Amino acid sequence: KAGVTQTPRYLIKTRGQQVTLSCSPISGHRSVSWYQQTPGQGLQFLFEYFSETQRNKGNFPGRFSGRQFSNSRSEMNVSTLELGDSALYLCASSLRTAATSTDTQYFGPGTRLTVL
Amino acid sequence: AQKITQTQPGMFVQEKEAVTLDCTYDTSDQSYGLFWYKQPSSGEMIFLIYQGSYDEQNATEGRYSLNFQKARKSANLVISASQLGDSAMYFCAMREVNPNFGNEKLTFGTGTRLTIIP
Repeated sequence: KAGVTQTPRYLIKTRGQQVTLSCSPISGHRSVSWYQQTPGQGLQFLFEYFSETQRNKGNFPGRFSGRQFSNSRSEMNVSTLELGDSALYLCASSLRTAATSTDTQYFGPGTRLTVL
Repeated sequence: AQKITQTQPGMFVQEKEAVTLDCTYDTSDQSYGLFWYKQPSSGEMIFLIYQGSYDEQNATEGRYSLNFQKARKSANLVISASQLGDSAMYFCAMREVNPNFGNEKLTFGTGTRLTIIP
C-alpha cells in the first residue's frame, strides 16, 4: 500500500506570494492533518480535515487555510507569504475510526518551503 | 492543555548498545494515546510505536519498546541493540481522545537527536 505523498517536495517563494501544497493520504484513510515544523517552534498542528470538513484548527493566522476533496486528498494554502513561513510542512493521514486513541497518524515526506 | 517534555536534546550511543529516550507528559484527560516517531535527515516522520493510556502492558515493536509509567506520566522509548541507521531525531507525541469524536491533534515534544557511534 502506498504511503502518504506530498507535492511538491521543495518550493521557493518570495514574500507576498501565495502557495498551495498538496497531500494524498494512504488509501482508505479519511483524515488528513497538517503540521508546520520549524527549528524555533518545533512541530505545530495546523488543522485537520475529515469528510471534507475542517474538524480542528491550530493557532495560526487566517492566511493558512486548507480543504479536503471527496477522495480525501487535501490541499493547504498560505497567502501573503512571510519570511517566518519558511518551514517543513508535514501532512499526516489516519483512518479516523470512532473515538479511540489507537488511530495512528502516518506522515508524508513533507514539503520544504523557503520564503525569500 | 497537553504538554510533552523531552529533556535530552542530544544523545550519543555506541553501536549495539541499548538506549533510552525520555518522555514525560502532562494531561488532565483519562484517555489518551502516546506515540514515538523517528525523523531522519530526509524529514519524513516514521511511526515507531504506540501506547494507549489504558493498556496494561508496555508496547513492543521489534527492537523498540515503550516503558510506560502512568503514575509518573512517563513514556520512555527503549531501543535495543542500536544500529547506525537509528541515528535520527526522535519525537514523543500525545493524542487526546475526544469522546465526541472531535480531536485528531497530536502534540509533540521538542525531540531528541540520537547519534549512533560505530
